[in-house]
Amino acid sequence: SAVISQKPSRDICQRGTSLTIQCQVDSQVTMMFWYRQQPGQSLTLIATANQGSEATYESGFVIDKFPISRPNLTFSTLTVSNMSPEDSSIYLCSAGEATEAFFGQGTRLTVV
Amino acid sequence: QKEVEQNSGPLSVPEGAIASLNCTYSDRGSQSFFWYRQYSGKSPELIMFIYSNGDKEDGRFTAQLNKASQYVSLLIRDSQPSDSATYLCAVSSTDKLIFGTGTRLQVFP
Repeated sequence: SAVISQKPSRDICQRGTSLTIQCQVDSQVTMMFWYRQQPGQSLTLIATANQGSEATYESGFVIDKFPISRPNLTFSTLTVSNMSPEDSSIYLCSAGEATEAFFGQGTRLTVV
Repeated sequence: QKEVEQNSGPLSVPEGAIASLNCTYSDRGSQSFFWYRQYSGKSPELIMFIYSNGDKEDGRFTAQLNKASQYVSLLIRDSQPSDSATYLCAVSSTDKLIFGTGTRLQVFP
C-alpha cells in the first residue's frame, strides 16, 4: 500500500483567495486523484491527475477553478481558486494502481 | 449516470453480532469492488477489495460479490465498538472509483 502525505491538514481562508494543497506519495504511482467530501456526504471525484498530461476533470469541475499539477510520479497539487464559502469542504488526495486507491489524511478547508 | 447505492443507516448492532452492509451498483462493466472504513473526521481507509464472484475473507471481514445481481456486501463478524464508523462501498469504472454515500454502523456494548 502507498503512504500518502497531504498538507495542509486544515486551513481557514478568506473568500476570493486561493489555496494550494500538496500531496506526496512514498512510491511512484501512475494515477492520482483529487476528491471533495462535504459534511455528511460521500466522496466526489474532482479530477484524475496523470503525470505528463493534463488532468481529467469530472462534470461540474473546471480547470480554472481547480488547477492541478502533476510534475512527477510521486507528487501532485490541487489549487482551489477564488474561493467562496461554498468551497468549504474536505479535500482528499488518493493514489494507487488499478484503482486500488489509498488516501491522504485530507485537508479541511473553511472559507470565511 | 453510473451509481453506487448504499443504505445510509445508521445500522445498529450489539457487540459480538454480525454486521451486514450492502451495496448495489449500476455499471455492469465494473470489475473491482472496494470497501473503505471512515471514522469521523478521518480519511477513508481501505479494508477489503474483491474482484471475483463469491466470498473473500480477511480476519473478521468477509466481502461478497454477485456480479449477476450487481451486488456487493461486507460482513463484519464479532462486531466491536471500535468498528463503529461509516463504511463506503466503491466500484471501479474506467480507471476511477465511484463511491456510494456510505452506511453508518453503530456497535453498542
